[in-house]
Amino acid sequence: KAGVTQTPRYLIKTRGQQVTLSCSPISGHRSVSWYQQTPGQGLQFLFEYFSETQRNKGNFPGRFSGRQYSNSRSEMNVSTLELGDSALYLCASSSDTGISNEKLFFGSGTQLSVL
Amino acid sequence: TQLLEQSPQFLSIQEGENLTVYCNSSSVFSSLQWYRQEPGEGPVLLVTVVTGGEVKKLKRLTFQFGDARKDSSLHITAAQPGDTGLYLCAGAGRADSNYQLIWGAGTKLIIKP
Repeated sequence: KAGVTQTPRYLIKTRGQQVTLSCSPISGHRSVSWYQQTPGQGLQFLFEYFSETQRNKGNFPGRFSGRQYSNSRSEMNVSTLELGDSALYLCASSSDTGISNEKLFFGSGTQLSVL
Repeated sequence: TQLLEQSPQFLSIQEGENLTVYCNSSSVFSSLQWYRQEPGEGPVLLVTVVTGGEVKKLKRLTFQFGDARKDSSLHITAAQPGDTGLYLCAGAGRADSNYQLIWGAGTKLIIKP
């Protein structure tokens, strides 16, 4: 079974630009979550999608948005990039059986640098 | 707001030594997960503990969930260079009627040969 695939692996943008990151979950997984990771801050939850609907949302500004397609693939968009948006963006998928100890499978992430 | 404090933030020890990493909270979690992340990769789940007082072993790694399900520890015996990585704990809890994972900031562990 193929793992979670994130593209691109690396991205360099300038302030004010927008960016779209892509995530293909494990086949059969319907839940996709997005996280921002910066050194010393751990993982900050952005949002979670399930069956094309945003089911959960973290405390990020509206510049951060996402969507999920019918094949469970997900995209994350950041508009009007700021220097502080530089981070590793991780996508995780799960089979979502509805139990609280659901196992997350992470992709390798997209390293975004904003100059 | 649920918080999960992880300590220490950074640990560098010699091969063969023992170590313990802690995750503490004032909140009760229905379960707690431990992940390890290597440079350039996403976190990989090591274990999930569910019951208060539960102890799970994974080779030289021992995980414990506190009796009150508010804290957890990870103990590594005779650490090896292959144990090097970022260790993250994540507690499962409810926020605004939604199930969420609350993450610790991580412990960066370096095992020197």
